[in-house]
Amino acid sequence: AQKITQTQPGMFVQEKEAVTLDCTYDTSDQSYGLFWYKQPSSGEMIFLIYQGSYDEQNATEGRYSLNFQKARKSANLVISASQLGDSAMYFCAMRDRGSTLGRLYFGRGTQLTVWP
Amino acid sequence: EAQVTQNPRYLITVTGKKLTVTCSQNMNHEYMSWYRQDPGLGLRQIYYSMNVEVTDKGDVPEGYKVSRKEKRNFPLILESPSPNQTSLYFCASSLSEGPLDEQYFGPGTRLTVT
Repeated sequence: AQKITQTQPGMFVQEKEAVTLDCTYDTSDQSYGLFWYKQPSSGEMIFLIYQGSYDEQNATEGRYSLNFQKARKSANLVISASQLGDSAMYFCAMRDRGSTLGRLYFGRGTQLTVWP
Repeated sequence: EAQVTQNPRYLITVTGKKLTVTCSQNMNHEYMSWYRQDPGLGLRQIYYSMNVEVTDKGDVPEGYKVSRKEKRNFPLILESPSPNQTSLYFCASSLSEGPLDEQYFGPGTRLTVT
């Protein structure tokens, strides 16, 4: 079974608008971390935001916020006031205690395009 | 500045010619890992290391070797590269293997094997 599911292969948003990128996860662990990464066309993997399973408040980092709904096992990324530079691939990822390799499980990604 | 560095960033080589991709972190992290990213397959873990001299296989270790002689360095070695190892490679590090620790990624190495 997929540990991380991103159901939107591509999303389009107009500049200055907000956009939500969906992510659902699957784990039976109580202790886990959820991460979002941005990968521009240049290829590097840029960390955006993190949510721990015990965090009661949704994480925020500047224009990025994470809509964490634990019961639904969803961790959607919200980008407010989109900018042209936000056009990139976005990956949701998870690390849990069941992961003896310490690895991150990645979703397949969502390609976001911001248009003027 | 806290960072993970990889070298080279781009490499084109021929089948069978041994190569090493270096990875170094300056954050005193115990955990380091290598991933490869391929279209349609996402990111897959190749090898990881919990600490100096402690390494183990990830999901796709065939054709790769690693070593961890110093805490900061975790090189990836391809003894006899083949075209199916053409990929984008990432080194990552984190404080530990724990689920609440963020993994910091290097800038990536684009490898082409002809």
